[in-house]
Amino acid sequence: QKEVEQNSGPLSVPEGAIASLNCTYSDRGSQSFFWYRQYSGKSPELIMFIYSNGDKEDGRFTAQLNKASQYVSLLIRDSQPSDSATYLCAVNGGGAGKSTFGDGTTLTVKP
Amino acid sequence: GAVVSQHPSRVICKSGTSVKIECRSLDFQATTMFWYRQFPKKSLMLMATSNEGSKATYEQGVEKDKFLINHASLTLSTLTVTSAHPEDSSFYICSAPRTGDPNSPLHFGNGTRLTVT
Repeated sequence: QKEVEQNSGPLSVPEGAIASLNCTYSDRGSQSFFWYRQYSGKSPELIMFIYSNGDKEDGRFTAQLNKASQYVSLLIRDSQPSDSATYLCAVNGGGAGKSTFGDGTTLTVKP
Repeated sequence: GAVVSQHPSRVICKSGTSVKIECRSLDFQATTMFWYRQFPKKSLMLMATSNEGSKATYEQGVEKDKFLINHASLTLSTLTVTSAHPEDSSFYICSAPRTGDPNSPLHFGNGTRLTVT
């Protein structure tokens, strides 16, 4: 079992729709959770981070964390073609500060 | 603007030569930096943790004598790929947590695409 698992994708949604990206993790001691966006040929950039159970909203993005279920998700509202990218879920276990990344979900937003 | 600067962005070298990649934190001090490797359509694979003033910590399976890491100052870490071979061709990315908390989000350099011919 992988430490961080994401939807295998690819995920395709029409412009204006809600895109839902999911991630589960195996280490119950994980303390911080991140979503990064990576365009093809580029390095990742931070979209959202969340530390506590519940929802965290930032513009069109909402991160949701459920530590009991070891589940973290990212919702993108009013999806735009510019949101088309690979989304990486990352989890920190604390201490060493190393992030473990999922394999990523590729999102395509069709105009 | 970029908070982590990585150079070069692209390098082509001949088999058997060495290549040095630099990673600088621009407006903060980074006692820890991370080096990742990414193959096409694959996720990031952590290679090593670079620690300022001490030896790097390598992940299992990563050859420390091949991938030399030096973190000589609070703003600079370097990765040297020694005696490069075509299988070392990859996208190498450095990152650093911005604040003193190692669990803070990572800021990534722009990456270095290495091609070994």
